[in-house]
Amino acid sequence: GAVVSQHPSWVICKSGTSVKIECRSLDFQATTMFWYRQFPKQSLMLMATSNEGSKATYEQGVEKDKFLINHASLTLSTLTVTSAHPEDSSFYICSARRSNQPQHFGDGTRLSIL
Amino acid sequence: GEDVEQSLFLSVREGDSSVINCTYTDSSSTYLYWYKQEPGAGLQLLTYIFSNMDMKQDQRLTVLLNKKDKHLSLRIADTQTGDSAIYFCAESMDQGAQKLVFGQGTRLTINP
Repeated sequence: GAVVSQHPSWVICKSGTSVKIECRSLDFQATTMFWYRQFPKQSLMLMATSNEGSKATYEQGVEKDKFLINHASLTLSTLTVTSAHPEDSSFYICSARRSNQPQHFGDGTRLSIL
Repeated sequence: GEDVEQSLFLSVREGDSSVINCTYTDSSSTYLYWYKQEPGAGLQLLTYIFSNMDMKQDQRLTVLLNKKDKHLSLRIADTQTGDSAIYFCAESMDQGAQKLVFGQGTRLTINP
């Protein structure tokens, strides 16, 4: 149990495009979902925490207008990178958890902006 | 502040035991985790331990916690080539949102 699916796994697009990444908890209801960014050979950097039906809480230095997070249901959260530029290229990973349980991670999305 | 430290690299021979170490600074950590990341993939939860426990064993994995020294270790017995990955130690203190603080990750390499 506790499977988290992330889609797409890889996306390449032109500069200026907006890209949406989906994160779904397949076999449980996630009270909280998290979005991380990982640079090559580095650890995960938490971008934001989102609870279903409420606004996401962004970490310091993360632009909320740039990285739009929607958590419309207990099984789905989306991250939209708006007007993406090459510096937004990265590996984005989501995680989900239910109350008093550990976070379970998706397989990540590799975003490449040309 | 919260800080989690790990050594960056570990190399072991196939069949030997691997021991990956982690230190953390905040004594109010409630849960400590080990995650595994294979190339190009997300993180897989391997095991976790509550701060009031000293040890947890699950098949080939043994977690030891020394709360006094704020030291956590993961021992992998009979290391196999499939164990090659990056291993992240993480702690959480925030009971509500369960935010994780990660170490830098230890890259485990298996030699034949």
